[in-house]
Amino acid sequence: EDQVTQSPEALRLQEGESSSLNCSYTVSGLRGLFWYRQDPGKGPEFLFTLYSAGEEKEKERLKATLTKKESFLHITAPKPEDSATYLCAVQAVGGSYIPTFGRGTSLIVHP
Amino acid sequence: DGGITQSPKYLFRKEGQNVTLSCEQNLNHDAMYWYRQDPGQGLRLIYYSQIVNDFQKGDIAEGYSVSREKKESFPLTVTSAQKNPTAFYLCASSTRQIETQYFGPGTRLLVL
Repeated sequence: EDQVTQSPEALRLQEGESSSLNCSYTVSGLRGLFWYRQDPGKGPEFLFTLYSAGEEKEKERLKATLTKKESFLHITAPKPEDSATYLCAVQAVGGSYIPTFGRGTSLIVHP
Repeated sequence: DGGITQSPKYLFRKEGQNVTLSCEQNLNHDAMYWYRQDPGQGLRLIYYSQIVNDFQKGDIAEGYSVSREKKESFPLTVTSAQKNPTAFYLCASSTRQIETQYFGPGTRLLVL
């Protein structure tokens, strides 16, 4: 069974204090790993898809990286508007291709 | 302006009542999905559809029903058999099942 574990569950940062969110996964074969941002009361917003170990993608203050067992979402010099829940999902090769979601990391950035 | 719309934003259900949540997309996506989100839990799949007039049960289909009569629309009915329906419901779509999912704004269902 595919499993996705995100840590920490919650993270509080001061504005400008860089940090990383972790997504550990167990799948028989990885087709893709997805990162989403979700604001309170809204639907998840797509950020990145990573397909192979060593791949990196960036968007503004966010950079996502991927290894064979985990992915990191690095947040550089965060601002209060980066406060949100960040969701990770993995898609396994074969079967239904339906992604398995983690429970998310709630990030709060204080001014 | 392409996207996924869900309505209503808030929905109230009385005991024994069936309610229907709407999901429409104009992205020309073939695949559509319904998820349930509860506090502190990951998204859980209710139903999904790859093509018109075909759909499959997800992990928590009991107490729910769907239809896919048009490519653009994938309504979800929460039946009276669903004893704990209070949750945030999210609709998503993708070009094909293996591709990235894009989500709607969600519907919050509350029980009176």
